[in-house]
Amino acid sequence: EIVLTQSPTTMAASPGEKVTITCRASSSVSYMYWYQQKSGASPKPWIYETSKLASGVPDRFSGSGSGTSYSFTISSMETEDAATYYCHQWSSTPFTFGSGTKLEIK
Amino acid sequence: QVQLKETGPGLVQPTQTLSITCTVSGFSLTSYYMQWVRQTPGKGLEWMGFIRSGGSTEYNSEFKSRLSISRDTSKNQVFLKMNSLKTEDTGVYYCAREGRRYFDYWGQGVMVTVSS
Repeated sequence: EIVLTQSPTTMAASPGEKVTITCRASSSVSYMYWYQQKSGASPKPWIYETSKLASGVPDRFSGSGSGTSYSFTISSMETEDAATYYCHQWSSTPFTFGSGTKLEIK
Repeated sequence: QVQLKETGPGLVQPTQTLSITCTVSGFSLTSYYMQWVRQTPGKGLEWMGFIRSGGSTEYNSEFKSRLSISRDTSKNQVFLKMNSLKTEDTGVYYCAREGRRYFDYWGQGVMVTVSS
């Protein structure tokens, strides 16, 4: 099983601040995927194939990485970005998710 | 438009069997894989298994032989059944459509509590 380790677990950012979340895989994966989840809602696809934005996602979001090291960035934090973000791999079964990064607004 | 909705019992007793139905609209189950993912306090988001567009299945070995996924294409429904429930199985259960590039549509989820 590929374990995905996200950091940080929680963080707070001020409006306009740059945010970076990392996800490390225990084995190499072809791509990383990211989901956004707000309280009481189901996860929403956010970034796919490491760096591509899902439909409707603002371009202040970006993703990068390869192999076992991936990152998720918000260039300029906005209040609506407060949520929990999960990395996800489905390169091999069992598909796995990171434990999430809860991002709050300062 | 594409919609997915899970329905289930809410409360299940330990050792009993959980049955959840995912009813979909706006697409055909014969064209897409359908995934099941759960979210528990203990393990977070956890992939459970999927059913392919052709009807075959694959499961997370974590659930060993407890889990079964099936479907009724005529009713646009996918089913999850899991037996020998434990309190650790308490959580929200989601069905999701596997799109061309990612899990593109998710149901609202159904909360399941395992308790006597």
